[in-house]
Amino acid sequence: QKEVEQNSGPLSVPEGAIASLNCTYSDRGSQSFFWYRQYSGKSPELIMFIYSNGDKEDGRFTAQLNKASQYVSLLIRDSQPSDSATYLCAVNSNSGYALNFGKGTSLLVTP
Amino acid sequence: DAMVIQNPRYQVTQFGKPVTLSCSQTLNHNVMYWYQQKSSQAPKLLFHYYDKDFNNEADTPDNFQSRRPNTSFCFLDIRSPGLGDAAMYLCATSLRGRTGTQYFGPGTRLLVL
Repeated sequence: QKEVEQNSGPLSVPEGAIASLNCTYSDRGSQSFFWYRQYSGKSPELIMFIYSNGDKEDGRFTAQLNKASQYVSLLIRDSQPSDSATYLCAVNSNSGYALNFGKGTSLLVTP
Repeated sequence: DAMVIQNPRYQVTQFGKPVTLSCSQTLNHNVMYWYQQKSSQAPKLLFHYYDKDFNNEADTPDNFQSRRPNTSFCFLDIRSPGLGDAAMYLCATSLRGRTGTQYFGPGTRLLVL
């Protein structure tokens, strides 16, 4: 069974700090990796994607991928209270078209 | 603005009483998805359509069915809801070549009494 694992949290960081969210996946055939943000009671929203090993930066967000270790992470710099949400890691393999979501990590940014 | 719309936003039904949830999109995406999400759990894919081609996930209960009469609309039918079917139902869309980039509707919260 293809699994995506995340620490459920909550991860609490002070405002202005770096939040680090981690995700591991079991399917070595996975090719594409996504981070979705989900506010409480709302639907998921795509914030980052990464396909190649290394780092990808977009504003305050950096996605990191290590396929050898089957590990993907999301860094949020200068965390704001508005970043408080659940962050879902999702993985897409070439052999399938469906996204496999993790359960999400709850992030709380305290003022 | 292009978007994914779900109706109703909240649905209360009785145990065993059929219910239909609807989804429409103005993004002109050819792929549409239905997910079930329970509290503190990952969204669970129930079905997806590539254009009119229907794809059912292996562990989706027979109680759940779907229809896509045209590109813009998709329906989720729950034939005999049980208490365990209470959840948020999310509709999403994507382009065929970019299935990881999905656009979600606001969801329908289903309560089964």
